[in-house]
Amino acid sequence: DVKVTQSSRYLVKRTGEKVFLECVQDMDHENMFWYRQDPGLGLRLIYFSYDVKMKEKGDIPEGYSVSREKKERFSLILESASTNQTSMYLCASGLAGGPRTDTQYFGPGTRLTVL
Amino acid sequence: AQRVTQPEKLLSVFKGAPVELKCNYSYSGSPELFWYVQYSRQRLQLLLRHISRESIKGFTADLNKGETSFHLKKPFAQEEDSAMYYCALSVLNGNKLVFGAGTILRVKS
Repeated sequence: DVKVTQSSRYLVKRTGEKVFLECVQDMDHENMFWYRQDPGLGLRLIYFSYDVKMKEKGDIPEGYSVSREKKERFSLILESASTNQTSMYLCASGLAGGPRTDTQYFGPGTRLTVL
Repeated sequence: AQRVTQPEKLLSVFKGAPVELKCNYSYSGSPELFWYVQYSRQRLQLLLRHISRESIKGFTADLNKGETSFHLKKPFAQEEDSAMYYCALSVLNGNKLVFGAGTILRVKS
């Protein structure tokens, strides 16, 4: 049973703070993803990673950075949180693509509120 | 451009009525499509994929390349089908998914 865990379910931070969101998966997946989920906008990809120390920008990377020092862990960093980053953040993992796309497995989400 | 469009934000039906959640895509390559579902207070999970051509929880979806659509259908809705449904398109050789905006399905008793 795939497990993707996220460090916090709820976070409240102040504008300008540095925020770390952590994600851990236990299935030895190569790929990991960070999305934000907003009503009416669906899931938008922030960053993804194919392997340790590798990262690729998604559709909305501005204001975010990521770190992947170990295969099982993928961190999302908000260098200076702003109110427009208030959102639900979802982490996901999956096997590397091939002839058939593998399922992405999602964490429970972190609801971040920036005041 | 790679895009997934779900035109309905909310679909409300009565229990026992047929359901059709619409999904259209734009993609220059050979499409691989999915439906993901998020029930209340649960994590997002895969519902079905077009390659499998299977029925999950009574839901089916057929890829129509001519109409670039992948609509999700169920002949008789149940209350437990109430959830958020996302259509997704696989790109970058299967390493990335592009999601639609999602449709909330509400099944009324």
